[in-house]
Formats: sequence, C-alpha cells, structure tokens
Amino acid sequence: GAVVSQHPSWVICKSGTSVKIECRSLDFQATTMFWYRQFPKQSLMLMATSNEGSKATYEQGVEKDKFLINHASLTLSTLTVTSAHPEDSSFYICSARDADGASYEQYFGPGTRLTVT
Amino acid sequence: AQSVAQPEDQVNVAEGNPLTVKCTYSVSGNPYLFWYVQYPNRGLQFLLKYITGDNLVKGSYGFEAEFNKSQTSFHLKKPSALVSDSALYFCAVSPAGGYQKVTFGTGTKLQVIP
Repeated sequence: GAVVSQHPSWVICKSGTSVKIECRSLDFQATTMFWYRQFPKQSLMLMATSNEGSKATYEQGVEKDKFLINHASLTLSTLTVTSAHPEDSSFYICSARDADGASYEQYFGPGTRLTVT
Repeated sequence: AQSVAQPEDQVNVAEGNPLTVKCTYSVSGNPYLFWYVQYPNRGLQFLLKYITGDNLVKGSYGFEAEFNKSQTSFHLKKPSALVSDSALYFCAVSPAGGYQKVTFGTGTKLQVIP
C-alpha cells in the first residue's frame, strides 16, 4: 500500500516551453502533497505544500508564478514549470501524506527528471 | 528553525560489518524523526521513524535507529551490511504534534564493499 506515482519519469523540453508533472496517490487519499526539488548530490529542497481544494503554500524563494501547483482531487496534484529555462533542469519529487492514517511519514513518488535545452 | 546535520558525506563499510550513519537534529520541542533511503534516479523510500515510545526503533530491511534526546541524535544502524544497502540515506525531522514541515539532512552515501 501507500504508493505514489509520478508522470512522466523523465522529460526533455525546449527553453521557453511549459512542462506539467503529475503526482498521484494510487491507493490512499492525500489531502496534502509536497513538491521537492533535488539537485545532484544535494538534499531535497521543499518547494511547496499542496493542499486539496486550496492554494498551495510556497517556500521562501520559490516563484509561485513559475511553478504552478494544482491539487484538484484527493489523489492528484500537478506541478507546471512555466517558461522553463535550463536552470530549471532538476529532479522533481512529490510526496503525500495519508489523510486517513495515523502515520506521519511521507510517501514519495519515484521522481521526474526534467532537462531543459 | 529546525535543522538536520548528517556530518558524513559518505560512509564506507565492508559487507557483513555493522554500519552506522550519523544524524543530529535541532528542533523546538519534541521531535518526530525519520530515515529515508534513495536509490539512483528514484524517489525516497521510508525506512523508519521515531514518534514516541521506545528510543530504539526498528525499521525495514533490518535497519534500526536510536533516539538520544540528550545528544539530539538519531543514528541509523544495521548489524550486518549488505552490498544492496548501498544507497543515499536521508535523516529528517519535524516538530512533534500533528503534520508539520519536515526538514531533510543533506544525505549520506553508504557504500558497502564486497
């Protein structure tokens, strides 16, 4: 149980285009999902907290107009990187918390490798 | 502000030997503590957590960790390392009491040598 999927697993796009990444909780409902960015050989940087039915909460320094987050249902959150540039190339990981469970751990998706050329 | 320190970028251990991956934390009040493992180009997998109760926590794949409040540490241990344990390990902390922001350490690469 507690599986989180991400799609796509990798994407290459041209500079200036937009890319959408999906994060789905497959066997549980997640009122809260998190989006992280991970640079090579570095830790996870929390970008934003996505709450179902409300606006996402962005961390300081993260441009909300560039990284659009939508949490449309209890099982789906999307991250759209708008007008992508090479510096946006990174590994993006989502995670989710079980809305019904008493556990406090996060369940992570497999990540999406974004390369902007 | 809460923080996590993983002082070792890399830990090398021979297969069959015990392993320890160090973690210290700073948080207001009591902590919730977590260990996650990441394999190359993959997301993180949950290993174990300390919420309350016994200071020694047992988790997946034979790993365990000991919560030491006085030393603000939560070191990850395993009695006998396997080559398949080679991966990147992250320690994480959040303040106790409900769902709060989790802060991750910088990660420690574990290399188990056959």
